[in-house]
Amino acid sequence: AQSVTQLGSHVSVSEGALVLLRCNYSSSVPPYLFWYVQYPNQGLQLLLKYTSAATLVKGINGFEAEFKKSETSFHLTKPSAHMSDAAEYFCAVTISSNTGKLIFGQGTTLQVKP
Amino acid sequence: EAQVTQNPRYLITVTGKKLTVTCSQNMNHEYMSWYRQDPGLGLRQIYYSMNVEVTDKGDVPEGYKVSRKEKRNFPLILESPSPNQTSLYFCASSSVRWGFTEAFFGQGTRLTVV
Repeated sequence: AQSVTQLGSHVSVSEGALVLLRCNYSSSVPPYLFWYVQYPNQGLQLLLKYTSAATLVKGINGFEAEFKKSETSFHLTKPSAHMSDAAEYFCAVTISSNTGKLIFGQGTTLQVKP
Repeated sequence: EAQVTQNPRYLITVTGKKLTVTCSQNMNHEYMSWYRQDPGLGLRQIYYSMNVEVTDKGDVPEGYKVSRKEKRNFPLILESPSPNQTSLYFCASSSVRWGFTEAFFGQGTRLTVV
């Protein structure tokens, strides 16, 4: 069965510092991987996705993630945090391109301090 | 504008009083699903639909019903709500005709059952 683990339910960084949100997945077949962001009182917005093309994926708002098969990881990074990045971030996986089912991690709340 | 619309956004109800949360998408997507979001658990799929008149259980279907009479609409029905169904609910849709690429989410419905 597929699963996703996000290490750290809360991450706090200073404005301008590196953002690193960790995601590890478990899948018996090559997965499709996603990062979604949820701002307060809003739905989920796609940040970026990996679908077996380039292993380094660039997304919106300066975020990027690298798929590392050997480590079964898909960590999300941003070189310099902005106050507007404060939100909850979800890593998700699907193993089939024929369904829309996503398996989500537990979520990581990012706090950005001035 | 492509969107998934849920109503209502907020709902407080009493135990046992039947309720329906509506979901509509304007992207002609085949696949629609409902998720519930609970702290520390991420999002979990309740029910999904591959197309009109085709629905199936997700990971946490107990206490819920759905129907898919039209391609654009996918209502979630709680026949007899209980306090453990207090949660944040999201409807999502995606196209799987040419392979799944991403899921689009509604704004969410925060349900409180007292």
